[in-house]
Parts: sequence; C-alpha cells; structure tokens
Amino acid sequence: AQRVTQPEKLLSVFKGAPVELKCNYSYSGSPELFWYVQYSRQRLQLLLRHISRESIKGFTADLNKGETSFHLKKPFAQEEDSAMYYCAPLIKAAGNKLTFGGGTRVLVKP
Amino acid sequence: DAGVTQSPTHLIKTRGQQVTLRCSPKSGHDTVSWYQQALGQGPQFIFQYYEEEERQRGNFPDRFSGHQFPNYSSELNVNALLLGDSALYLCASSSQRRGNTEAFFGQGTRLTVV
Repeated sequence: AQRVTQPEKLLSVFKGAPVELKCNYSYSGSPELFWYVQYSRQRLQLLLRHISRESIKGFTADLNKGETSFHLKKPFAQEEDSAMYYCAPLIKAAGNKLTFGGGTRVLVKP
Repeated sequence: DAGVTQSPTHLIKTRGQQVTLRCSPKSGHDTVSWYQQALGQGPQFIFQYYEEEERQRGNFPDRFSGHQFPNYSSELNVNALLLGDSALYLCASSSQRRGNTEAFFGQGTRLTVV
C-alpha cells in the first residue's frame, strides 16, 4: 500500500537554527516528490519538487531512493518559516494523484 | 487570474442531508482533484476529474460523488451526511494536457455536520 510518513507532528526551533523535516514514503514505482506548505490563513501551496532541484526560500530536499526518504532542510530557520509542511508523493501512472503525509508544524521562535 | 476558487467558504448541514461543493480551476487547467482534510490531518484524496470523467478515486464511499463540466469546473456531492464528514474540503487543479504536475489549491470549504 502507498504510504507517506512524517514522523514529527511539531518541530520547534529558534530563529537561525537549522531545521529538518523528515518524510519517508513507501511506493511501488518512481514517484515524483513534492513538499507543500500552508502558512497561517493561506491556502496550501507548492514549496518545492525534487525534479527541479531548486532551493526555495532557503529550503532544499534530498531524495534518497534507497531509503525512500525526501527530507526537507533549511540551515537557518526564519520566523516566517512557521507553517504547516506536507510531504506529498505523486504517481503519474495513477493519474497525478497526490498522497499527503500527516504534516509537520514548524514553529520558529524569536 | 483568481486562481482556484471554491464556494461556499463555510457550510453547516444536518446529519442525513446532502451537500454540493463547487470548484473553479485555475485558468488553463483541465484537471480537478478533491481532498478531505480532517482537523489535524493531512489532506486525503477523494477523487480526480479529467475530461469530465472520474479518473482516480480514493478510499471514500459512494456517498461521495462528483462531476466535471465542459468548462472544467467541478462539483463534489456528499449524500446522507454523517458527523464524521465534518472537515475542510479542498479542491486542486492542474494541467494534464501540459504535463504539469503542480497542483494549485483553493482556499477550501469548511463543512460542519451537526
């Protein structure tokens, strides 16, 4: 069965500290991996996708196919990074269906 | 472009009633997916519509049905509402014709069943 696991429900860090959000997935085939973010009172939006290999707002994500992980990292967290983060694999063969993890709430303290 | 728009924003229904939620996709998008997000959980995939047909379905009962219109807008219908159907319902659009897998989300419809 397809499964996405985000083990941390809440990550609380101080401004300037590194932050890492874990994501493990269990899928047959080769999913495309995404991280979506939801800031307070805003809609869910794409943060980054592994195929673009971009760094967005200082975040990067490394796809480890061996460990089936797609962890999200930022070396120096900012207060505006406080939000809800969702890891979401997508299987194109399944009609571009996104499957979301349970989410990790990041709280960056001043 | 207003992006993905959903209506209504909030809705209160009584157990056993039926509800219809609406979604207009982002301009240029042809695919609409619906998600249910219970409090404290990630969005759960309900189904996806493309070319006016249901293409994929998640693990939801037949009480959940939908429709896509020629202008790509979509409706989600839920019959015989249960208390457990109370959730935020999200609509997302994307473009399969253009091979773009990024999903754009609406602001959601908050459904409360009492």
